[in-house]
Amino acid sequence: EIVLTQSPVTLSLSPGERATLSCRASQSVGTSLGWYQHKPGRAPRLLIYDASIRATGIPARFSGSGSGTDFSLTISSLEPEDFAIYYCQQRSNSPPITFGQGTRLDIK
Amino acid sequence: QVQLQESGPGLVKPSEALSLTCTVSGGSISTYLWSWIRQPPGKGLEWIGFIYYTGSTAYNPSLKSRVSISVDTSKNQFSLRLSSVTTADTAVYYCAKLLRYCAGGSCGDYFEYWGQGSLVTVSS
Repeated sequence: EIVLTQSPVTLSLSPGERATLSCRASQSVGTSLGWYQHKPGRAPRLLIYDASIRATGIPARFSGSGSGTDFSLTISSLEPEDFAIYYCQQRSNSPPITFGQGTRLDIK
Repeated sequence: QVQLQESGPGLVKPSEALSLTCTVSGGSISTYLWSWIRQPPGKGLEWIGFIYYTGSTAYNPSLKSRVSISVDTSKNQFSLRLSSVTTADTAVYYCAKLLRYCAGGSCGDYFEYWGQGSLVTVSS
């Protein structure tokens, strides 16, 4: 099973700042990595797939990069609605699909 | 746009089976992959399994001995059954439509649309 480790666990920033979240895989997943935003009481939302492709309707301030084992999600200028928990997820050639443990993005 | 809605009992007794149904609207279930994911209280997301409309399935090895996912194309629904539940199975259960994206000879699966989630509590 491929383990995804996200860092930091918690990130405290102010609106307007730049956020960089990291996800490291225990073995290469190529570019088969996605990012999700999750707010309490709501369904998670797909932000990025294939490491760098923005999902439908996702603002351009969200960008993803990386390949192999090291990936990052960048939010260029934080909006108030961006404070949430972010998960990375991989699905390479075989089950299972796995998620990282999450990064909580808090308002400073 | 595809919408999904989970339904089923919110309370299940230990050792019994948990059953949930996901109703798909705004699109046909006879395409794509459909999946179940859960989130225990205070914990992260865990993939349970997925099903193709033809009925072929894949499950998380950690749950494989207890889980079954089925599809009913006539009702545009798919269902989850988890047997012999314990309190560790208490969670919000989500159904989702998968996006399969292939490039450079490899494919990845991503959860494109989600239901709102259904809290299932295992308790006597």
